[in-house]
Amino acid sequence: DTGVSQDPRHKITKRGQNVTFRCDPISEHNRLYWYRQTLGQGPEFLTYFQNEAQLEKSRLLSDRFSAERPKGSFSTLEIQRTEQGDSAMYLCASSLAWDRSDEQFFGPGTRLTVL
Amino acid sequence: AQKVTQAQTEISVVEKEDVTLDCVYETRDTTYYLFWYKQPPSGELVFLIRRNSFDEQNEISGRYSWNFQKSTSSFNFTITASQVVDSAVYFCALNTNAGNMLTFGGGTRLMVKP
Repeated sequence: DTGVSQDPRHKITKRGQNVTFRCDPISEHNRLYWYRQTLGQGPEFLTYFQNEAQLEKSRLLSDRFSAERPKGSFSTLEIQRTEQGDSAMYLCASSLAWDRSDEQFFGPGTRLTVL
Repeated sequence: AQKVTQAQTEISVVEKEDVTLDCVYETRDTTYYLFWYKQPPSGELVFLIRRNSFDEQNEISGRYSWNFQKSTSSFNFTITASQVVDSAVYFCALNTNAGNMLTFGGGTRLMVKP
């Protein structure tokens, strides 16, 4: 399967712990995006990469959130000192074009539950 | 700032009925792109249709059609002859020159009953 993959699919953690999620985009896609979706809401943009460069990170929710894409392929999203309000679905998407008209292909998401 | 509003939170129809999902957007940019995505119970967002701000021609693709009107900032989506498999949450989204992210509406949950 050559779609966007995310790992893990589910994560349960205790408040205060750090968590890291991984996203593998479609192989030829140069752009990678992270979104957060809370229950009953639409996805909310967090950050995005073009190749290995993080071009927008002002929308990250706090300094506890960070993302990397070290070799321009897979990406990781880390949340430090998790809080119960971090419980949500974290979605990754990728796209090929330099043009904003191209659709973003989404992965299945990682559902985070903070106890 | 960009904003997308989907006033209908939930719609219920009987199979074979036509259904229209409403979307209203706000942006100051003159160049922008509008999308519809579907999120079935499995959770994965699936791209459906796209429109750019320079093309107001409305189209039909199979059972899907859309009505883009810049004058009212609306981008409505219609499913003809709905099927049970169409049951999902549908999101309208906007992408502008102000950034390279999608701004999503709150979604409309569509339930198609047999």
